[in-house]
Amino acid sequence: KQEVTQIPAALSVPEGENLVLNCSFTDSAIYNLQWFRQDPGKGLTSLLLIQSSQREQTSGRLNASLDKSSGRSTLYIAASQPGDSATYLCAVGPGNTGKLIFGQGTTLQVKP
Amino acid sequence: EPEVTQTPSHQVTQMGQEVILRCVPISNHLYFYWYRQILGQKVEFLVSFYNNEISEKSEIFDDQFSVERPDGSNFTLKIRSTKLEDSAMYFCASSVGQGGDEQYFGPGTRLTVT
Repeated sequence: KQEVTQIPAALSVPEGENLVLNCSFTDSAIYNLQWFRQDPGKGLTSLLLIQSSQREQTSGRLNASLDKSSGRSTLYIAASQPGDSATYLCAVGPGNTGKLIFGQGTTLQVKP
Repeated sequence: EPEVTQTPSHQVTQMGQEVILRCVPISNHLYFYWYRQILGQKVEFLVSFYNNEISEKSEIFDDQFSVERPDGSNFTLKIRSTKLEDSAMYFCASSVGQGGDEQYFGPGTRLTVT
């Protein structure tokens, strides 16, 4: 059974710092991995999607990497800003039905 | 920019009552999903739906749950007889294709069962 874990559960950094959020999964047979952002009481905003054949994806200050063999993905945020404060969720797609299995998230606080 | 919408934003119901949560997926998307998030817990997959059929459902999605695409735009989740433990945020999502395609989520409906 696929399990997704995110470490750390919470992170507080000063503005401008580069940071890395970690996601690990137990079964390397995945279709894709998607990173989301969730603001308090709100829905999920898709940040990046990495297909199983890809190693990384970039969007602006965000870069996500995928290492299927080790069951890991990282989300790198460059030059963090207070507006980046949110919970970041990692989700793994194990098959072709679109089902996503989520981690518990990392809550990020960027202090001005 | 196209987005997934959900109504209502908050639904309060009494235990044992039926509720219908509504979603309007992005117009050119063909695959639809429901997830839920109990307060403080992980987002959990409920069901995926394509071509008027369920593609996959989780253990949570028992006989009390059903989904329907009643017309060309709406996608609904029905809970026949709500229980206290059904209280959660329910998210609808859609994607162009399945498997490897990006999913777009709606803002959620907060269901409170009293």
